[in-house]
Amino acid sequence: AQSVTQLDSQVPVFEEAPVELRCNYSSSVSVYLFWYVQYPNQGLQLLLKYLSGSTLVESINGFEAEFNKSQTSFHLRKPSVHISDTAEYFCAVSEQGGSEKLVFGKGTKLTVNP
Amino acid sequence: DSGVTQTPKHLITATGQRVTLRCSPRSGDLSVYWYQQSLDQGLQFLIQYYNGEERAKGNILERFSAQQFPDLHSELNLSSLELGDSALYFCASSLAGAPWGTQYFGPGTRLTVL
Repeated sequence: AQSVTQLDSQVPVFEEAPVELRCNYSSSVSVYLFWYVQYPNQGLQLLLKYLSGSTLVESINGFEAEFNKSQTSFHLRKPSVHISDTAEYFCAVSEQGGSEKLVFGKGTKLTVNP
Repeated sequence: DSGVTQTPKHLITATGQRVTLRCSPRSGDLSVYWYQQSLDQGLQFLIQYYNGEERAKGNILERFSAQQFPDLHSELNLSSLELGDSALYFCASSLAGAPWGTQYFGPGTRLTVL
């Protein structure tokens, strides 16, 4: 079985400040890693994923995450946030070779203040 | 707009009742996933169907059942409802052969049990 821990339930930051949303996972098998974002009153959208290759993955809107196998972490970062980044961010894992179901963390609510 | 539709958007009912939530996946997507999002449990995987067949089961109660029809739409049936079943229920779909874990989420059905 897999589990995901998002260490911060809420992260308030000022616009243009850097941010890091932390994610740790536990699994007895190899997993793929994901970050999904949920804007207010919407469904979830895939932000970025790590399947293989370079451990640093990037999204089109400036977020990046680094897979660290030894620390079982997949922290999400952005060097300069915008008001529009205000949303809830979910880290998720999926067992390699399994059914593709996603196991989510409890989410981190990022609030960007002017 | 993810292309996944869910009806109804909101549902208010009483304890002991039965409801049906409906999901239409994106055109061409064979897999449908159901997730429950509640304040205390977070986002939890319930069940997955692939081309009409059950593929994986998560933390789905025996009072809940689902099916995927030949036209690939899916229904989640919740019976003998309890107050604790109040939650946001998401449907997601994915395309066979797409990068692992790339799921498209619908806007959700908010169920309130009074």
